[in-house]
Amino acid sequence: AQTVTQSQPEMSVQEAETVTLSCTYDTSESDYYLFWYKQPPSRQMILVIRQEAYKQQNATENRFSVNFQKAAKSFSLKISDSQLGDAAMYFCAYRSADGGSEKLVFGKGTKLTVNP
Amino acid sequence: SAVISQKPSRDICQRGTSLTIQCQVDSQVTMMFWYRQQPGQSLTLIATANQGSEATYESGFVIDKFPISRPNLTFSTLTVSNMSPEDSSIYLCSTDRANYGYTFGSGTRLTVV
Repeated sequence: AQTVTQSQPEMSVQEAETVTLSCTYDTSESDYYLFWYKQPPSRQMILVIRQEAYKQQNATENRFSVNFQKAAKSFSLKISDSQLGDAAMYFCAYRSADGGSEKLVFGKGTKLTVNP
Repeated sequence: SAVISQKPSRDICQRGTSLTIQCQVDSQVTMMFWYRQQPGQSLTLIATANQGSEATYESGFVIDKFPISRPNLTFSTLTVSNMSPEDSSIYLCSTDRANYGYTFGSGTRLTVV
């Protein structure tokens, strides 16, 4: 079974600075999807960024980018120019590309604090 | 991506009672997923609901405790039955369209007293 590990329970960053959240995963599959989700105190799960394993190019969404290292099974999230609104729990998630396994497997999360 | 309306947003229930949570999607989707998020924890999948068939439950979750309905392609309910304080959690429904990314309902915060 696939597992997702987030080794940083908590991180903090100064406003306008850059922070990187770590995620590693374990799988024997070659094709899959990886996601980063943000969960603010409102508890709404918000998709931040998505990466297809077959794409070598790292995904980017405005201030959010990933460093996807397939061989190392690593999928870190970089947040540039951090803003107060970025403060939230961040979850890394894995999904198999196998059509019969569409569920998401989540890591334990990283709580990000943004200091003014 | 799809928009999901989930209700109730929160509830406080007596132990031994049941609560039904509803999720309405603004478009037809094949699968819907129900997650539990215990306080301070990550999301754990309870079951996958496919329209027209029995829900598929993950290890540790049983249909008698968490019955699920999926009457059509836009709607699903999860019932938390015979509740105990250990059932106090956030419950979220989710779906995926076109492999883009999963959309979640806004969650139901359940407190059992």
